[in-house]
Amino acid sequence: QVQLKESGPGLVQPSQTLSLTCTVSGFSLMDYSVHWVRQPPGKGLEWMGRMKYDGDTYYNSALKSRLSISRDTSKSQVFLKMNSLQTEDTAIYYCTRPGANRFAYWGQGTLVTVSS
Amino acid sequence: DIQMTQSPSSMSASLGDRVTITCQASQDIGNNLIWFQQKPGKSPRPMIYYATNLANGVPSRFSGSRSGSDYSLTISSLESEDMADYHCLQYKQYPLTFGSGTKLEIK
Repeated sequence: QVQLKESGPGLVQPSQTLSLTCTVSGFSLMDYSVHWVRQPPGKGLEWMGRMKYDGDTYYNSALKSRLSISRDTSKSQVFLKMNSLQTEDTAIYYCTRPGANRFAYWGQGTLVTVSS
Repeated sequence: DIQMTQSPSSMSASLGDRVTITCQASQDIGNNLIWFQQKPGKSPRPMIYYATNLANGVPSRFSGSRSGSDYSLTISSLESEDMADYHCLQYKQYPLTFGSGTKLEIK
């Protein structure tokens, strides 16, 4: 059974670094890619970046200078780090697995609030 | 980057109405488009993939179509459970891009 679960701090101070973990089960990170998507409260979805099954990454150009995605395949975890956080980075952060380009599997999302 | 222009941003319709939501792609995406439904407090759920294919478990009143660079999601007869936000996503080219979303309300 495929599952993804995001975890991380609910509150981050402005200018600080966000660190999130996506822990997956039911599949191997060496067989499937994992993407990160975020959604500010009451707004639309924004694609952030991808960790490909071969370890390659790709980032949203608007976030590229602040964003880093990595993984630990032995722990079935994908990590997101984003620095210089501002209030506009307040959002629900999701990890999702494409799987035949259908994006059928999503985590529950984790709300990150940027505030002092 | 490919821009996905989604319309309308919100709409209100009556039960039984036929509803259509559209995304226009700024470049050719060759049917590489997914429609998602998202209910409050929930993760997105894929409804249509590859522009016209119904995802598993999705009611047959949902359908997807394409006309040139315009991709549409149609609900043939609106039901109360269809009240949700709808998003399109192109996956033809990185970076992947979403439409701005449509909020569908029931009159």
